[in-house]
Amino acid sequence: GENVEQHPSTLSVQEGDSAVIKCTYSDSASNYFPWYKQELGKGPQLIIDIRSNVGEKKDQRIAVTLNKTAKHFSLHITETQPEDSAVYFCAARWLMEYGNKLVFGAGTILRVKS
Amino acid sequence: DTEVTQTPKHLVMGMTNKKSLKCEQHMGHRAMYWYKQKAKKPPELMFVYSYEKLSINESVPSRFSPECPNSSLLNLHLHALQPEDSALYLCASSQDRASNQPQHFGDGTRLSIL
Repeated sequence: GENVEQHPSTLSVQEGDSAVIKCTYSDSASNYFPWYKQELGKGPQLIIDIRSNVGEKKDQRIAVTLNKTAKHFSLHITETQPEDSAVYFCAARWLMEYGNKLVFGAGTILRVKS
Repeated sequence: DTEVTQTPKHLVMGMTNKKSLKCEQHMGHRAMYWYKQKAKKPPELMFVYSYEKLSINESVPSRFSPECPNSSLLNLHLHALQPEDSALYLCASSQDRASNQPQHFGDGTRLSIL
C-alpha cells in the first residue's frame, strides 16, 4: 500500500525565516498531494494542494513542489509569522482497488519564534 | 471558519452509553468521510460515503455505526465504546470521490470514554 514519510517531525524557525517540510511517497500511481495545517483544537485546514501534472504551485507565502521521478514533494513557507505555528500534515491520494483514500504523513510541528 | 460543521464539540460518555456524532455540510459535496485522530497522530480514515451510500469501511468495529440520511448530513452512532476509542473524530467532505478532489474537514468532536 501507499506509505508517506514526513520530515522533520519538529521545526523551529525565527520569525521572517523560511520553513521547508519534505514528504516522500511510495506508490507511483498517486496523483494528488494536499497539505493541511492543524491548529490546537481545530480540524485540519487545507492550505495548498498539487496534482501530478504540475511541478510547482504557489499561493502567496506558501509553495509546494513535486518531483514525480523521485516521489517526493515539499512545502515551502516564506517570511514565517507566529500564526504559522501549527502541525502540518502532507498526504498522498492512494488509488486502491475499491476506491481511493488520503494517506497522511506523521506530521511536523512548526514553531515560529518571535 | 470551517464549512463542515460538527456537533457536539465535546462528548463524555460511559462505556454503556449510546450517543451520536453529527456532521453537516452545505457545499453540495457528494462524498463524506469519518476520520479518527489520536493525540499527536495523523487522521485515520474510518468510513467513506459517496452519494449517500457507504463505499469504504476501513475494518471499523461494529460499535461504530455510520449513517448518511441525506447528501448534507452524516452521523456516527456510538455504542458500547472502549476507553481506547477516546479521540478526536473528524468529518470531511469533498465534491465527489474523484482522486483529485480536495477534502475539507470540520473541527471535530473530542470524545472521552470513561
